[in-house]
Formats: sequence, C-alpha cells, structure tokens
Amino acid sequence: SSELTQDPAVSVALGQTVRITCQGDSLRSYYASWYQQKPGQAPVLVIYGKNNRPSGIPDRFSGSSSGNTASLTITGAQAEDEADYYCNSRDSSGNPCLVFGGGTKLTVL
Amino acid sequence: EVQLVESGGGLVQPGGSLRLSCAASGFTFSSYWMHWVRQAPGKGLVWVSRINSDGSSTSYADSVKGRFTISRDNAKNTLYLQMNSLRAEDTAVYYCARVNRAEQLVPAGYYYYMDVWGKGTTVTVSS
Repeated sequence: SSELTQDPAVSVALGQTVRITCQGDSLRSYYASWYQQKPGQAPVLVIYGKNNRPSGIPDRFSGSSSGNTASLTITGAQAEDEADYYCNSRDSSGNPCLVFGGGTKLTVL
Repeated sequence: EVQLVESGGGLVQPGGSLRLSCAASGFTFSSYWMHWVRQAPGKGLVWVSRINSDGSSTSYADSVKGRFTISRDNAKNTLYLQMNSLRAEDTAVYYCARVNRAEQLVPAGYYYYMDVWGKGTTVTVSS
C-alpha cells in the first residue's frame, strides 16, 4: 500500500480550476513533486518543491502544501491537461527512498 | 539534448534474469543520483531503486530487495538494473529517471524530484 494517498479520479469543466491532493505523513517533513502522465507516455515533472515549475510547464499549474497534504492546482484547465497525475516524496522513514501516490485520473469535461 | 534511453526489456520466464540499461546523454551523468521506477499494466508508478552519483550507496523497495541490483558505470554514462528471480508481478514498464536533490529550509532537510525520464522498457515475466 502507498504511503501517499490520492483520490483515484477527479473531473473539471473546461476552463475551470481543479485541485488534486496528496496526503501522507512524510509530507509534514518533505516537499512533494508532481508528475503528469498521458497514455503511452513517460511521466513529466510539472511541479517540485514549494511551488516550482520546470521550464515549459504552463503557469496554470501550481503547487502548495499544508500539514500532511500537498496540492496541485490547475487554474483554467485545458483539454490537454487530461491525464494521470502522481505525487511523489521521500518516504516517512527519512531514508533517501521515494514513494508515489496511487495517482489521480483527471478528466476535463 | 538531455536524454535517457532504456533498453534490455523483453519476455522472460518466472525465475529468470534480465539486465536493464539506461544510457544517459546531454548532461554530466556522474553528478546525478539516478532512480528506477516501474509501472505495471494499467497501474500506477512505483519507485524501485536509487543509486547515488558515485555508486557507493543504493536503496531498494521492499518488493525487490535481495532480487534486484542497481549499478552504474559513469565512464559509460550508463545506469543498470540487474533483475534476478523474476516473478509475474515484476511485469511492468521500467523507467529510469534523473533525480535532483534540493535543500528545504522549513523543515530543514532535502527533498528529491525526478526531472528527466526515459521512455521506458517493457519487461514481461511469463511462462
């Protein structure tokens, strides 16, 4: 079982705002990172650290964290944002091992 | 161009072995920790293993500990995953990923993120 918990599925109307959450004890100690994965493709990093976007990631993607919960927010969701989203962080043991959440399937209506 | 290319996947019988490779280019491979991540058909991402920049330190998920060995050859810019005693549940796409370590101030410590991924190589364990 995953140490990071995500809702399996979330939907959003085109152009609206959606928040995808990730819960786990390790998030009280370590920042999460977020990955987007489209069918048949490798994951792509979209958010890391406090709220950092790699080059090429649209600014409609943002991240935040509070307590044991990390959140990925998409402001003005586009059709191309429909994908699976995974959070990732260090595990709660403090070792340099990582753990993924179970993933959230985002549907843009 | 920064790139990771996995190879070595294929069909193997239960109990068999396979060695995956991940060729890195476009960056100073010897400066980065590297990880393997896998994804079973229709399932989510699962972290498998990591190795530090000079290969002196490794970690494994409990599900593969004692069966898989991660290693690297910095002279060849290549990461490896030796997989022994393979089981049906090891069937997955295996990705290698470059990892960055960054300092966080509150709380103090380090976090990690995978900024470059390969396209993956498929391993199928079946008789």
